[in-house]
This record gives sequence, structure tokens and C-alpha cells, in this order.
Amino acid sequence: DSGVTQTPKHLITATGQRVTLRCSPRSGDLSVYWYQQSLDQGLQFLIHYYNGEERAKGNILERFSAQQFPDLHSELNLSSLELGDSALYFCASSVGAGVDQPQHFGDGTRLSIL
Amino acid sequence: GQNIDQPTEMTATEGAIVQINCTYQTSGFNGLFWYQQHAGEAPTFLSYNVLDGLEEKGRFSSFLSRSKGYSYLLLKELQMKDSASYLCAVKNQAGTALIFGKGTTLSVSS
Repeated sequence: DSGVTQTPKHLITATGQRVTLRCSPRSGDLSVYWYQQSLDQGLQFLIHYYNGEERAKGNILERFSAQQFPDLHSELNLSSLELGDSALYFCASSVGAGVDQPQHFGDGTRLSIL
Repeated sequence: GQNIDQPTEMTATEGAIVQINCTYQTSGFNGLFWYQQHAGEAPTFLSYNVLDGLEEKGRFSSFLSRSKGYSYLLLKELQMKDSASYLCAVKNQAGTALIFGKGTTLSVSS
């Protein structure tokens, strides 16, 4: 158990809909990262928050947005969903934003778009 | 840009030693990580290298050569539970996000 909690574990919805994925980092961790994992692309970095502020963006679509709240939990919002958005979405956390700090991953949310 | 290459699949037998290679081309280097991921589960941190050389942690060791853009993960005394995907990742230029290779699926048989 990494200490990172993601909810829900599974989500099934239809094209065009909007969903929110939630992540609680390990106790004491200030950084939260979101990743998308699909079979053909592997793990892709989406976005990084540190202590409530956005620090880096990766290959995140404009239809996707995220935020980190004062209690340090984070939410990833996906809208106008398309079939290609079906994937495993992982949240990871680390103590700070240092280059040498390992990121610890939650169990992921499996999103299926029908 | 950043490019990370690893073999797609490897097979080995229980008790053996296996070496999983990773080559990378990056604009800037802030360290290399290895993660283990069992199917449908979260990646778990194995090792971190930022200086050249070998880091040993029990049955697992990781090596880095920055001049060659090369790393390997060495797994000794293989067990069935080591069957998993092994992901090589480098920190991006800003030093925040991890850029992952597509992973090497290791199958250990008895």
C-alpha cells in the first residue's frame, strides 16, 4: 500500500460526458502528479501540482483540467469524453518537488468510455 | 525531446539472473528511475540513479552510464512473483515529471 488513495477504482460512462477523478496523497506529501496509461502509449505525464499550485504540464488535453485543494487532495476533471480517453489514470505523490524524490503511485482509476 | 527505449518482452527461469536494458536520449538529465508494475496494479518504486555506477538493493541492482545514455536493472535469484512489467523513467528537463519508457514485460517460469 503506497498510501496514495484514488477514487473511484472503476468508472464507466458514455461519450460526451464529464467525470471527476479524486486523489489523496500520502500524508506529508505536497506534490501530486497525474498520469494516463493506455495500452499503446504507456504511462504519460499529464500534470503536476505542488502545494496547491500548478508546476508542470505534460500531454494534457484542453478538455482535461485539474486542481489541488488546500487539504492537498487533487481532482482531475475530464470532459467531452471520447472513446480514446478510456485508460487507467494514476495519481502519484512525493514529499516535495525535488528531482531525486521518488513518486509513489495510487492504484489508479480505470475509466471506460462506451 | 525525450526518447526512452527498452525491450518489449523478456523471459527467464526461476533462480536465474536477468538484465533489463534501457537507453535514453533527453534534453537535460535529472536522474533515472526504475519501477515495477504488476498487471492492473500501481507502479512501485524500485531504484533511483543520478550518478554513474551501480546501486544495489537486495536482489535488485541498477546501473547508470550518463555518457552512454544507458541504464540496466539487474534482477537476481528470480522468483515467480518477479513476473511484471519493469518501467524505466527519466525526469523531464524541469526535473518534475517522470517520462516513462513503454516497459519491459518479464515472464518468469519454473
